[in-house]
Amino acid sequence: DAGITQSPRHKVTETGTPVTLRCHQTENHRYMYWYRQDPGHGLRLIHYSYGVKDTDKGEVSDGYSVSRSKTEDFLLTLESATSSQTSVYFCATGTGAGANVLTFGAGSRLTVL
Amino acid sequence: AQSVTQLGSHVSVSEGALVLLRCNYSSSVPPYLFWYVQYPNQGLQLLLKYTTGATLVKGINGFEAEFKKSETSFHLTKPSAHMSDAAEYFCAVRNSNDYKLSFGAGTTVTVRA
Repeated sequence: DAGITQSPRHKVTETGTPVTLRCHQTENHRYMYWYRQDPGHGLRLIHYSYGVKDTDKGEVSDGYSVSRSKTEDFLLTLESATSSQTSVYFCATGTGAGANVLTFGAGSRLTVL
Repeated sequence: AQSVTQLGSHVSVSEGALVLLRCNYSSSVPPYLFWYVQYPNQGLQLLLKYTTGATLVKGINGFEAEFKKSETSFHLTKPSAHMSDAAEYFCAVRNSNDYKLSFGAGTTVTVRA
């Protein structure tokens, strides 16, 4: 996956608990993204980053926050997890050049009970 | 804002038959268009992309797609299906003036022997 590591790969948690998913890249790409994948919805953008400390909201950002203190790491936090946030979460990176083709990580499967 | 519509959530084809996956988009500015493939329990891989220039683009594994501006379409085809083509396929679009990628809901392809 072109140097993208997501952790944890699987997590089961309870409603109301905080959860942080980590995306680590080794390609020094400027752009990083968090998507969630749900049946019938494809992938929906949660948040993205266009540089260190520079982030913006996507189409389904409610209930999520992100941080990017280093180029290589992009963290997604669910402050108080809900069952509707049960999903598969994908991190992606892009260079920003040309078509900005995105490269995806292997995904993190989160189950909120 | 851009959006993507994939017609048909499931497509079943016989081995050796034509694969045709339909994608229509809306975009207020010239779009960049992509097809990604996802095999079970994996992340997404880029099949092909259209940015500018030739409207018929060829990708990996024998797939190709044609950008038709007048029809706002970017349909994906493969002349002869192989068992290994069984996967989920996503069409995606981004405006040429931003860096956010929007996905369709996906089409699952099954290949019958």
